[in-house]
Amino acid sequence: GNSVTQMEGPVTLSEEAFLTINCTYTATGYPSLFWYVQYPGEGLQLLLKATKADDKGSNKGFEATYRKETTSFHLEKGSVQVSDSAVYFCALLNTGNQFYFGTGTSLTVIP
Amino acid sequence: DSGVTQTPKHLITATGQRVTLRCSPRSGDLSVYWYQQSLDQGLQFLIQYYNGEERAKGNILERFSAQQFPDLHSELNLSSLELGDSALYFCASSYPRVAGGITDTQYFGPGTRLTVL
Repeated sequence: GNSVTQMEGPVTLSEEAFLTINCTYTATGYPSLFWYVQYPGEGLQLLLKATKADDKGSNKGFEATYRKETTSFHLEKGSVQVSDSAVYFCALLNTGNQFYFGTGTSLTVIP
Repeated sequence: DSGVTQTPKHLITATGQRVTLRCSPRSGDLSVYWYQQSLDQGLQFLIQYYNGEERAKGNILERFSAQQFPDLHSELNLSSLELGDSALYFCASSYPRVAGGITDTQYFGPGTRLTVL
């Protein structure tokens, strides 16, 4: 089957700390992988994506590399800011046209 | 602003009742998705419509149904409501790269918060 597993939160970091949010997936075929972000009181927004193995998605200082050998798509940022406080969702889109989301990881960045 | 609108923003109702949630996709988007976000179950995909036709089905209960109209707006109908149906319901839209094919980036609306008392 298809599923996404991401690290449980909440995660609390100091400003300028390094961020890693782990995401692993199970899928048949070759899915596309996504990270979405949900700011307080808002809907989800696409943060970055990768459509094939070894692709690196990047946006706003965040990066994630599609690793087929480890079925992973970990999200990283070198220096987080208070404005990065949000819930982050890892997701996959399988060849059957269905999206599967992880449960979300809440990040709080303190000054 | 994603360009996807959802109404109403908040809805409070009683068990056993029926409600309708409405979604207008971004201009030009042909696909509409519905999701349920609850504290204990995370974000669950419910159903997808493409150009008026059901395209994919997720964890949607039989008490729930949806449709997409010729003007591409969509409605999610929830009936015989239970306390456990209280959640945020999101609509998302996308424009497929290939007609009827695998879709890509989704744009989410702000959600409708449903409270069942």
